[in-house]
Amino acid sequence: LAKTTQPISMDSYEGQEVNITCSHNNIATNDYITWYQQFPSQGPRFIIQGYKTKVTNEVASLFIPADRKSSTLSLPRVSLSDTAVYYCLVGVGSGGSYIPTFGRGTSLIVHP
Amino acid sequence: ETGVTQSPTHLIKTRGQQVTLRCSSQSGHNTVSWYQQALGQGPQFIFQYYREEENGRGNFPPRFSGLQFPNYSSELNVNALELDDSALYLCASSRSGGPYEQYFGPGTRLTVT
Repeated sequence: LAKTTQPISMDSYEGQEVNITCSHNNIATNDYITWYQQFPSQGPRFIIQGYKTKVTNEVASLFIPADRKSSTLSLPRVSLSDTAVYYCLVGVGSGGSYIPTFGRGTSLIVHP
Repeated sequence: ETGVTQSPTHLIKTRGQQVTLRCSSQSGHNTVSWYQQALGQGPQFIFQYYREEENGRGNFPPRFSGLQFPNYSSELNVNALELDDSALYLCASSRSGGPYEQYFGPGTRLTVT
């Protein structure tokens, strides 16, 4: 499974746009990129998933360059409630199973 | 749509004991995965069950075992508990066959003393 590298922590302020970049240099052809958000003592929550170019939903955007060796999660106009750990996952598994592998994630702190 | 539930919420056990954790998957999901999350770490994959069979396993010893039932609910059993087994245990359900979104339960906090 492809290994991912993310910044350990980031700081931002309310109302700003936050971009978290994840490196996955050995991503395989059929791997997808998925981001999860986790609050303390809760299970992770799916944010967004993509394969190439750009994906946008109601909470975030995901930018994936042509070589797919990195991806950037963009959170528009963050609020205090966006303070959480964000995980980038890469993989598709085999034999029909999908086994996401979590790294240590990026701890985002949003300040007033 | 019913979400993923886990029981119990918290549990305290003594080293050497055995524990069983339970998970009910989200309706429509036939795949259940279990994760162990130590403090300050990301979730570590334990194993996955699909149609009542183990469908993948992480780097965990055999004393970690599981079951999936016909209704897709699941159990995680840990024998001979060690102090390092203290962690948040997360269950996630999903559809099978692709990189589908996983829905996580709130977790069971296990403390081994």
